[in-house]
Amino acid sequence: DAGVTQSPTHLIKTRGQQVTLRCSPKSGHDTVSWYQQALGQGPQFIFQYYEEEERQRGNFPDRFSGHQFPNYSSELNVNALLLGDSALYLCASSLGQGRTTEAFFGQGTRLTVV
Amino acid sequence: QKEVEQDPGPLSVPEGAIVSLNCTYSNSAFQYFMWYRQYSRKGPELLMYTYSSGNKEDGRFTAQVDKSSKYISLFIRDSQPSDSATYLCAMDYNQGGKLIFGQGTELSVKP
Repeated sequence: DAGVTQSPTHLIKTRGQQVTLRCSPKSGHDTVSWYQQALGQGPQFIFQYYEEEERQRGNFPDRFSGHQFPNYSSELNVNALLLGDSALYLCASSLGQGRTTEAFFGQGTRLTVV
Repeated sequence: QKEVEQDPGPLSVPEGAIVSLNCTYSNSAFQYFMWYRQYSRKGPELLMYTYSSGNKEDGRFTAQVDKSSKYISLFIRDSQPSDSATYLCAMDYNQGGKLIFGQGTELSVKP
């Protein structure tokens, strides 16, 4: 049973560019949440998608946007990249909008902005 | 002030030691308390969760929640080198899907 898979694993982008990160949830899961983890920090909640809609959002600017597809996979898009966007981006999936205690994390996409 | 505070360490202990990891929080509305383990270059892995106050034990791991003091702990008995990782506490109000994490404590268990 495949867990949460994220792609790509590593990415280097130039300041001002746009990036798209992808996440496939664990089999049977329908809810995807995205987190940003800066070096030496804990993950910070970006937003959550359920039934193809953004349901909750953390304190992140509109440059961060997302999408969920009918097969429950999700994308995170970041526009106008800043150096401070360099971080590990984590995707977590769960069954149902709640069930935080049953969320599984992928191993993340490490984004470096130069 | 951050909602969840966690000593970043690093914490270094000899194999077999008892490890105590702690978090404090400011929001009394938190109901669900979780501990994650994160190995280098990996995503967080859920170790244990506790609802409201009390203790929970799973093998060598014990989680404690003291809501009156807004303080949670994770104890690791008979620590092993394989326990070397970053330990993250996380909290949620109502399983609404938004986890609030501490900074993480880096633990190193020396053989």
